[in-house]
Amino acid sequence: SQQGEEDPQALSIQEGENATMNCSYKTSINNLQWYRQNSGRGLVHLILIRSNEREKHSGRLRVTLDTSKKSSSLLITASRAADTASYFCATDPGTASKLTFGTGTRLQVTL
Amino acid sequence: DAGVIQSPRHEVTEMGQEVTLRCKPISGHNSLFWYRQTMMRGLELLIYFNNNVPIDDSGMPEDRFSAKMPNASFSTLKIQPSEPRDSAVYFCASSPGGPQHFGDGTRLSIL
Repeated sequence: SQQGEEDPQALSIQEGENATMNCSYKTSINNLQWYRQNSGRGLVHLILIRSNEREKHSGRLRVTLDTSKKSSSLLITASRAADTASYFCATDPGTASKLTFGTGTRLQVTL
Repeated sequence: DAGVIQSPRHEVTEMGQEVTLRCKPISGHNSLFWYRQTMMRGLELLIYFNNNVPIDDSGMPEDRFSAKMPNASFSTLKIQPSEPRDSAVYFCASSPGGPQHFGDGTRLSIL
């Protein structure tokens, strides 16, 4: 079953704009991870934020985590056409690295 | 680093046939995961291994599915007999703990 629900399901923006994706989850977590999936490829890990962290940055990526609201957001700044992909959040309860993935957001970045 | 290697990349077979999917994890990773991805159900965890031992197979849909990990560098997922509803993309992922590394999947079509 899906632990995470992502919002929006699809997002279309122009190159240079920022893209924000949200993830909500239901149970307690040890950490939350974001992955990217290009068409026809496997998922690629982007960033991990631990339950005791509120914000984390990696290049053009900014992730926030609000454990009281059981939600996270992924911000991609200054988007590029190459950012076109599906983005998934995944929650880790902290036992044996078993992840539960969300439903994903399909991001389309146009020139 | 070669990454997670899955074979075959595509498989088309007739209903009732046995299907075997193969995975070579990244050397040194002690956890291995099999996922199935469909439009309707998203990304589902089927089974995962830790140090070659199956830990949780609660996601395996039914007895027609079986998975083995005879050694640290090889795993198989077998479907026998296959049915059209098994059509999906099957991913293998490995992890040293924390983020998971995915192969590019096997696209399975059961006619």
